[in-house]
Amino acid sequence: ILNVEQSPQSLHVQEGDSTNFTCSFPSSNFYALHWYRWETAKSPEALFVMTLNGDEKKKGRISATLNTKEGYSYLYIKGSQPEDSATYLCASLGAGSYQLTFGKGTKLSVIP
Amino acid sequence: EAGVTQFPSHSVIEKGQTVTLRCDPISGHDNLYWYRRVMGKEIKFLLHFVKESKQDESGMPNNRFLAERTGGTYSTLKVQPAELEDSGVYFCASSQGLAVGRETQYFGPGTRLLVL
Repeated sequence: ILNVEQSPQSLHVQEGDSTNFTCSFPSSNFYALHWYRWETAKSPEALFVMTLNGDEKKKGRISATLNTKEGYSYLYIKGSQPEDSATYLCASLGAGSYQLTFGKGTKLSVIP
Repeated sequence: EAGVTQFPSHSVIEKGQTVTLRCDPISGHDNLYWYRRVMGKEIKFLLHFVKESKQDESGMPNNRFLAERTGGTYSTLKVQPAELEDSGVYFCASSQGLAVGRETQYFGPGTRLLVL
């Protein structure tokens, strides 16, 4: 994988459902993975910075895991709420670089 | 603590005109980044300042783009002359600089630029 890829591109879930989506990134020369939550016209909000293989981070109902050997991260949302509706962005960073390389994002819509 | 602020929030200009975008980072953050998102595409890196010095400007599209950070505080990004393909959302982000790459980059709300 040369670029950061996110799937699905978009999804709709019912309020109360749990959901997850994937970020795939280059595993060679990996340094860090960043997750952001972005509502249009607002600032992207930092969720997690992950660096260690097997790392798992949690913030409220949102959690993320990291597999640096195979180059993927999962973001989980438990009991989705309408306010979780946003685009979730992941960005990887390789060693020796300060450039975040973003995926196109997963747009989540939570239906009340 | 105030977050990253950007001005203007929107700008509509004609092809060939000049536009200057401004970013005020979080106070005390040495690192400042510019990114751009063209509609339908991913956010892409433009350049990175450490204080007033350009650390990496490899993402700048061409010489019509000029970024400055005089005094190591706020930064400006000037596009001269603007072309249609410059339309997009220009984000600024800042970070402390204690663990660059592994520390949070705090983003501003972006400037939405439309070139007609």
